[in-house]
Amino acid sequence: EIVLTQSPGTLSLSPGARATLSCRASQSVSNNYLAWYQQKPGQAPRLLIYGASSRATGIPDRFSGSGSGTDFTLTISRLEPEDFAVYYCQQYGSSPMYTFGQGTKLEIK
Amino acid sequence: EVQLVESGGGLVKPGGSLRLSCAGSGFTFSNAWMNWVRQAPGKGLEWVGRIKSKPDGGATDYAAPVKGRFTISRDDSKNKVYVQMNSLKTEDTAVYYCATGWYLDFWGRGTLVTVSS
Repeated sequence: EIVLTQSPGTLSLSPGARATLSCRASQSVSNNYLAWYQQKPGQAPRLLIYGASSRATGIPDRFSGSGSGTDFTLTISRLEPEDFAVYYCQQYGSSPMYTFGQGTKLEIK
Repeated sequence: EVQLVESGGGLVKPGGSLRLSCAGSGFTFSNAWMNWVRQAPGKGLEWVGRIKSKPDGGATDYAAPVKGRFTISRDDSKNKVYVQMNSLKTEDTAVYYCATGWYLDFWGRGTLVTVSS
């Protein structure tokens, strides 16, 4: 089973700042099949990025994903107030077992 | 517009059973892989299992903690996917979401399952 470790656990930033979230895999993620999700309190998760770097439909271009192999990054170029939430990475390359990271909470500084 | 609506959650005693349903609309349900993902209170996301579309073989896969206790099925004539949960444990307490696709591109709002005596 691939274990995903996200860092930091909590990130405190101000609106307008740049956010960099990390996701590290215990072994290489096949074909970079890695996704990122955003979850706000009381809501279902929302897909942001799939295939490590492809934005899902309707996702603003301030969100970008990068990385390959075992190291992946979600970058939010300029934080908007609505971006403060919990972010999860997930690998779907090691079928049939999907795994999630433990999450990074992005909070307002 | 894609919509997924889960139902069937509630309070059940340890060792009991429950069946959750997820109704889909706004997409070709019969071609969709359907997943169940859960989230224990205050915790992160945990993938529970998946059923592939019938054109892709219809196979099911499960996470280790639920394998042998949970069964996922689908009824494409009703645009529904189900998870039958048996031998429930307190650690199965969570909000259960259904989600479409190979990567989880659309999600329902979830249904709460509480396992407690």
